[in-house]
Amino acid sequence: GAVVSQHPSRVICKSGTSVKIECRSLDFQATTMFWYRQFPKQSLMLMATSNEGSKATYEQGVEKDKFLINHASLTLSTLTVTSAHPEDSSFYICSASPATSAYEQYFGPGTRLTVT
Amino acid sequence: DAKTTQPTSMDCAEGRAANLPCNHSTISGNEYVYWYRQIHSQGPQYIIHGLKNNETNEMASLIITEDRKSSTLILPHATLRDTAVYYCIAANQAGTALIFGKGTTLSVSS
Repeated sequence: GAVVSQHPSRVICKSGTSVKIECRSLDFQATTMFWYRQFPKQSLMLMATSNEGSKATYEQGVEKDKFLINHASLTLSTLTVTSAHPEDSSFYICSASPATSAYEQYFGPGTRLTVT
Repeated sequence: DAKTTQPTSMDCAEGRAANLPCNHSTISGNEYVYWYRQIHSQGPQYIIHGLKNNETNEMASLIITEDRKSSTLILPHATLRDTAVYYCIAANQAGTALIFGKGTTLSVSS
């Protein structure tokens, strides 16, 4: 199947700093990518929909000024957690659908963020 | 998107078939049934999807009832590596975000 990568896989940052997470579709183009967050022992929660060349659409309760999303190309979307706090510590996962097979959606391996 | 209901957990012996049920009684006519699984600390993995007809691929089979109100994912010969949380999702069109429920934790033991 198609491959989606994320970088970094793990990151530890200090409270108040910002951290950027990259999501790449390696062998297909994706006009839309999605960002999810998962807390321990919970299910995935959709944070936002990232559209190439336009502003992201955020789910209710997700602060757009805190979680900055940029989808600058058909293979790359980035999520920046600004002024991170310990409660932002979570597992962040992206996904994307190939334009040629839009009914399949592929997920990245996730990024474990720990804010100290 | 239609809400789905799955059992919280299931056990299966290695080598036996694992049958995971899902209820989606409010599914609409244009909604597909998707199955994903998530192994601990990894991203979800696509398994299979279907609309009306039963589907089979190299990983699993999907049986959808005629009224489309429920479905069953079948792993024909479960292995220890199939231990994961399995999510059944109903989504109405390609390229839309998938809304995850709590899923079923499948434990395969030897």
